[in-house]
Amino acid sequence: ETGVTQTPRHLVMGMTNKKSLKCEQHLGHNAMYWYKQSAKKPLELMFVYNFKEQTENNSVPSRFSPECPNSSHLFLHLHTLQPEDSALYLCASSQDIGTPAGELFFGEGSRLTVL
Amino acid sequence: GQNIDQPTEMTATEGAIVQINCTYQTSGFNGLFWYQQHAGEAPTFLSYNVLDGLEEKGRFSSFLSRSKGYSYLLLKELQMKDSASYLCATMDSNYQLIWGAGTKLIIKP
Repeated sequence: ETGVTQTPRHLVMGMTNKKSLKCEQHLGHNAMYWYKQSAKKPLELMFVYNFKEQTENNSVPSRFSPECPNSSHLFLHLHTLQPEDSALYLCASSQDIGTPAGELFFGEGSRLTVL
Repeated sequence: GQNIDQPTEMTATEGAIVQINCTYQTSGFNGLFWYQQHAGEAPTFLSYNVLDGLEEKGRFSSFLSRSKGYSYLLLKELQMKDSASYLCATMDSNYQLIWGAGTKLIIKP
């Protein structure tokens, strides 16, 4: 139990569907992240939020839309995805951003399959 | 450019010692992290090095040489539960984490 909870753990969707991934952290952290993890590839940072404000958007396609209503919750809204978007989506939190030695706490991920 | 290299897969025997290497090239340096990720689970923090030398934490140790752009994670007295992927990541001058692709460690009895 890392203190970061992601739902759903598994999601299968068609290319025309709209779905959302949810992340909640119970650690009192100020920063939250979305990462994409594909097999045998480095973690790809997608979005960063600090105190609910988006501070990073690493050229992510608009079919991925993040939402951070408060410092404890983070969503990733998905629409008109492509099969190549199939991956494990990891949420993480940290006390702050831009802090050396500030370790990340990850959720267990949402395994997404796009048909 | 920024780059992290680590072996894709390694195999070791229960009770033995294994060293997982990581070489890096990044814009600036604010430390190097090692994370462990069991299949289907969240990555979890193992170690952080920012100064040269060896940091020991139980059966796991992490080494850093900044001049060589090199780190390793040393696992002693291997146990079956150590079978996992080990992720190396550096923090650049903008405090962004740059990740390697991970090393899958297989432990055999």
